[in-house]
This record gives sequence, C-alpha cells and structure tokens, in this order.
Amino acid sequence: DAGITQSPRYKITETGRQVTLMCHQTWSHSYMFWYRQDLGHGLRLIYYSAAADITDKGEVPDGYVVYRSKTENVPLSLESATRSQTSVYFCASSVGEEVPSEFFGPGTRLTVL
Amino acid sequence: GQNIDQPTEMTATEGAIVQINCTYQTSGFNGLFWYQQHAGEAPTFLSYNVLDGLEEKGRFSSFLSRSKGYSYLLLKELQMKDSASYLCSGGYQKVTFGTGTKLQVIP
Repeated sequence: DAGITQSPRYKITETGRQVTLMCHQTWSHSYMFWYRQDLGHGLRLIYYSAAADITDKGEVPDGYVVYRSKTENVPLSLESATRSQTSVYFCASSVGEEVPSEFFGPGTRLTVL
Repeated sequence: GQNIDQPTEMTATEGAIVQINCTYQTSGFNGLFWYQQHAGEAPTFLSYNVLDGLEEKGRFSSFLSRSKGYSYLLLKELQMKDSASYLCSGGYQKVTFGTGTKLQVIP
C-alpha cells in the first residue's frame, strides 16, 4: 500500500542496547522528519532530512543518529538506549517546505527497561 | 527560539462552535500549522496559515495574526468524532509543537 509506514510498531529493549526504528514512504517526498511524543512535552523534533544524504538536528537530537541514504527510507538509530528514550516515535514526510510535516506514520512505541 | 502555548483542555457541546487559541513567540517563523490527533493515533494535518487572515476548509477554519503572535482553530457544527487533541505548531522545517489542546465533545 502507498503511504508512510513505520516498523516495528512496538519495541521493548534494555538499557545500553542498540535499536533502529525504520520509516518508509512510497511518495518520494523530499522532506522527512523524526519526532518523539511524551506526556507533558508534546511532539519534539529529533532530526529532519531535506533529501537523501542531507540531515539536520532538531530540538532533541542527543542519543540519536539518522542517516538517510535513500529518498524513501529514513532509519532512526539509538546507539545505546536509555530509559529516558522510552517514548512514542513518529516519522513524517512532506512534499515541500510549505508544510513541514504533512503526513505522519502510525508511530512506534518504544520501551527501554 | 520558539514558544507555543495553547489551553490544555476544552469541552464543547455537539453541534456547537469551539475556538481553540494558540499564541506563539518565534524567530524564523514561516507558518502556523494545526493538526488533529485522536488518542493512540498519529497526528493528521488540518491546515496552515502563512499570511494574516482566515483560512476556511469545510467545518474547520484557522486564523493567523502575525503581529500579535496569535492563531486560532475554529470548529463548527461539532461532532462526537471531533473529540481529539488539537496541536498547534510553527516554524520553518525545525517546527515547534505546542503540547496540544484536548477537546471533549459532549452530547
């Protein structure tokens, strides 16, 4: 199906483990974004990418790595997971610059024990 | 930097009109955006304003005053399915989101 998908939808891991969350979109949108959503904080931007091989930090980038080698995929890696990274992670995409995040993926709920 | 404020909760009656306000302090402002998010689901983009004035889209309208750092989302003919959180956000690429307004529509 066309659209934006995320995998896995749920993940439980332990402190110190490496975790990669995947985001895939079928529209060939240039702009892609990673957010985390926590109670009391709302959505916070982790990283965004304007095109393949072009990424930039958002509001809360520490502890995360993003490398976008292909237009349609943008993986989010947690090099060494911490409990504070327990959150719901959303990927988003948009065609152009006018609307930064026009389409959201379904989200990944990550729990770090 | 950007700071966005919106009320935490609101309650309105089915069939009525509700206005959700959003104030912001921002540098590098490019637009003001509204999203709807039902519990346990992803946000859905509703509207955006770049210029001052009212943008109407069906039952939903959004207003922006850049000089006042103020926006609102107007929902008309409220339906039960409109019960959700409404997120205000602003900026350019590095957008900032408010914490959302949880709207409860009651019969």
